[in-house]
Amino acid sequence: GIQVEQSPPDLILQEGANSTLRCNFSDSVNNLQWFHQNPWGQLINLFYIPSGTKQNGRLSATTVATERYSLLYISSSQTTDSGVYFCAGRGGGGADGLTFGKGTHLIIQP
Amino acid sequence: ETGVTQSPTHLIKTRGQQVTLRCSSQSGHNTVSWYQQALGQGPQFIFQYYREEENGRGNFPPRFSGLQFPNYSSELNVNALELDDSALYLCASSLDGYTDTQYFGPGTRLTVL
Repeated sequence: GIQVEQSPPDLILQEGANSTLRCNFSDSVNNLQWFHQNPWGQLINLFYIPSGTKQNGRLSATTVATERYSLLYISSSQTTDSGVYFCAGRGGGGADGLTFGKGTHLIIQP
Repeated sequence: ETGVTQSPTHLIKTRGQQVTLRCSSQSGHNTVSWYQQALGQGPQFIFQYYREEENGRGNFPPRFSGLQFPNYSSELNVNALELDDSALYLCASSLDGYTDTQYFGPGTRLTVL
């Protein structure tokens, strides 16, 4: 199966700062999603983005499929953005499910 | 909210017991996947059901089994519980399980003593 590497593992920022989270894949994927996990464990869908660029408010994401990486941008961070961000992908061939990275733990300080 | 529900919310069992977790998929979705998330880790794929058939499985032993019903809801059964089975169990539903967005439920937190 594919390997997913996320960076940085931890990030501490002041409110109002911008951040970039990165996700590298060991092989091509046909399904790529970004999630925010809240303190109660709920995985909240941010983007479904196997390729291209999408924006949703202060968040945007870009996936360069040919180079096997994806970026999540958070602008003008708020304390409510704190939590763990996961990217997950699924390789071609067979129902292997999503492979998750280890996550980026983001802390936004007031 | 995703429309995916799970029950129970929390569960405490002792080693050697058996447990059943339940998941109702989002309306219109025929694929359900189950994941195990240990503390501090990303979720790991257990298996996937498509139209009542298991069509994909991760690296989990046979004591992890499941069912999907005609209404596409699903159960995860774990036999002979071990301490390492303590985790958050997440189910996700999707239209096709391959190239479609997967929507996750709130999870069931299982503690094995």
